[in-house]
Amino acid sequence: DSGVTQTPKHLITATGQRVTLRCSPRSGDLSVYWYQQSLDQGLQFLIQYYNGEERAKGNILERFSAQQFPDLHSELNLSSLELGDSALYFCASSPRARTDTQYFGPGTRLTVL
Amino acid sequence: AQTVTQSQPEMSVQEAETVTLSCTYDTSESDYYLFWYKQPPSRQMILVIRQEAYKQQNATENRFSVNFQKAAKSFSLKISDSQLGDAAMYFCALARSGGSNYKLTFGKGTLLTVNP
Repeated sequence: DSGVTQTPKHLITATGQRVTLRCSPRSGDLSVYWYQQSLDQGLQFLIQYYNGEERAKGNILERFSAQQFPDLHSELNLSSLELGDSALYFCASSPRARTDTQYFGPGTRLTVL
Repeated sequence: AQTVTQSQPEMSVQEAETVTLSCTYDTSESDYYLFWYKQPPSRQMILVIRQEAYKQQNATENRFSVNFQKAAKSFSLKISDSQLGDAAMYFCALARSGGSNYKLTFGKGTLLTVNP
């Protein structure tokens, strides 16, 4: 158990819908990262937050957004869902906004029908 | 841009034997970190080992060790005394040390099968 929690574990929804994925980092960690794992794209970085502020963006679609709250938990919002958004979404956390080891949560498996 | 290449989509090893997984990378950074993560069928991403590029000594964690060749941009993982529980997808990953983006760039993975 990495200490990073993600909810829900599984999510099944329809095209055009909006969902929210939640992540709680390890106790004391200030940085949260979101990654998407799909069969065709592999593991890709989406976005990083540090202590409530966005620090870096990767291959995140405009339909996707995220935020980190004062209690340091983070949410990834996915809207206007398409079939191709079906993937495993991971959250990872690290202590600081620098190269620390990132510890991953168990992931949320999103299925868009 | 950073890239990570794992040229072996699949590998197999007999229980108790040794196996080496290959990884090459490309980066313009002089300081960076390299990681091996393991993803078993549960899909959890588990850190196996970490190497700082400025350290010449190869990292070791119990049965897991790396062969880090900075000039060749090579970072292989050696698993000794393989166990059934080592069966998983293994990902090599790279993160820069400076700047503001510490994202992990992953390879496509190597699926390791351990035969009893």
